[in-house]
Order: sequence, then C-alpha cells, then structure tokens
Amino acid sequence: SQQGEEDPQALSIQEGENATMNCSYKTSINNLQWYRQNSGRGLVHLILIRSNEREKHSGRLRVTLDTSKKSSSLLITASRAADTASYFCATDGGTSYGKLTFGQGTILTVHP
Amino acid sequence: DTAVSQTPKYLVTQMGNDKSIKCEQNLGHDTMYWYKQDSKKFLKIMFSYNNKELIINETVPNRFSPKSPDKAHLNLHINSLELGDSAVYFCASSLGQIKNSPLHFGNGTRLTVT
Repeated sequence: SQQGEEDPQALSIQEGENATMNCSYKTSINNLQWYRQNSGRGLVHLILIRSNEREKHSGRLRVTLDTSKKSSSLLITASRAADTASYFCATDGGTSYGKLTFGQGTILTVHP
Repeated sequence: DTAVSQTPKYLVTQMGNDKSIKCEQNLGHDTMYWYKQDSKKFLKIMFSYNNKELIINETVPNRFSPKSPDKAHLNLHINSLELGDSAVYFCASSLGQIKNSPLHFGNGTRLTVT
C-alpha cells in the first residue's frame, strides 16, 4: 500500500472545535510535510517537520512526529469554516528533489 | 501574480486524441513536477525536471511525454488518450537544491476523456 496514509478519511466538526488528523508511513524519511487542498484548487504547503523534530507549531497548527511509530498528527485548534478542505501528509522516503509521496487525505468539514 | 499557472483548467476530449497541458512558474524555482490526482484524491508523482533535466520518471505509459524548454516551464503532452487518463493533473515547483523544500502547486487541469 501507499506511503502516507491519513486517518480518518473524513472528519466533520463544529466551528471552534479542534480537529486532529493522523498520518502513517512506511519507510524512513528526512521530513514529513502537511498540505491543504481546497475544493477545485491545488495543494498548499502548511508545515514541514524534520525527522529529528518531535513537535512543531505554526499559528493554529500543531504537528507531531513519532519516527519510531512512523506516524504524524496534525492538530488544528479553534477550527473555522474556512478550514474546510482536504489535508494530506507527504513523505520523501529519505530522498531529495521533492519526490514526495502523498496519502489520500482527510476531508475536513467545519460547520459554522 | 500567479506563482504556478497551468493551462487549460479544463480539458474535455475524445479517446485517441493527443493533447498538451502547459505549466509556468514565476518563483525562480529550478525543479518542476507533474502529479496526477485520481478520482479518489490519490496524488501520484509522474515526472520531475531539475534545470531542464529529467530526474524523476515514474512508471508512466510512454504516451505521456514531458518537455521542459527552460526551467520556468514544464509541459505535458499526452498521445492517444484513454479513458483511464481522466484525472486532475497538477504541476508543481520547488527549490530543488534546498533539500526537501516545499512544493508549490498550480490549480490543476481537469482532463476528461470520453
């Protein structure tokens, strides 16, 4: 199966709640990245966490990485309707030149 | 102002036709990519060019041929289109020399083969 699998496949919450998405991968990595895709648009880079980092924050985003379990989580705090999108994790498989492998994403719906 | 732009946005064509998708980036990046996103949103890399040189060529039918006239442009030509080629094709770019720099994506070309 593919590198980078997100869980859950779909998540529906109310505005103001927190949203947590998980990602599992199979091979070694240099870093793991999270992207957002709004409907009908391209992916937008959110945050990158290196293999020697355990946690990273950016605004309302918090990413954790556990290389022993080959897993990562993305937490969006105080969600807004504008956060409605698909979220993808991407891993580099230890390579360079951006050969990223993406999961199938988590569809997040935030209800106003 | 668009950083990575693709044309056309939509492409509807019949089986057997040949079509091209164009991509341009104005970010000064030296590495460009083509990704294919299927109906289940699974995104898979097809090709990557660094300074006009092909560096990633995944298992893609040879009906697909990328061309990079310069490092700001990467086009995708598809011969003898098949129903299974229907998907959204994304162009992306990055600073390849900075290891694992984030990808910047275009807004995609939705290809429908009938």
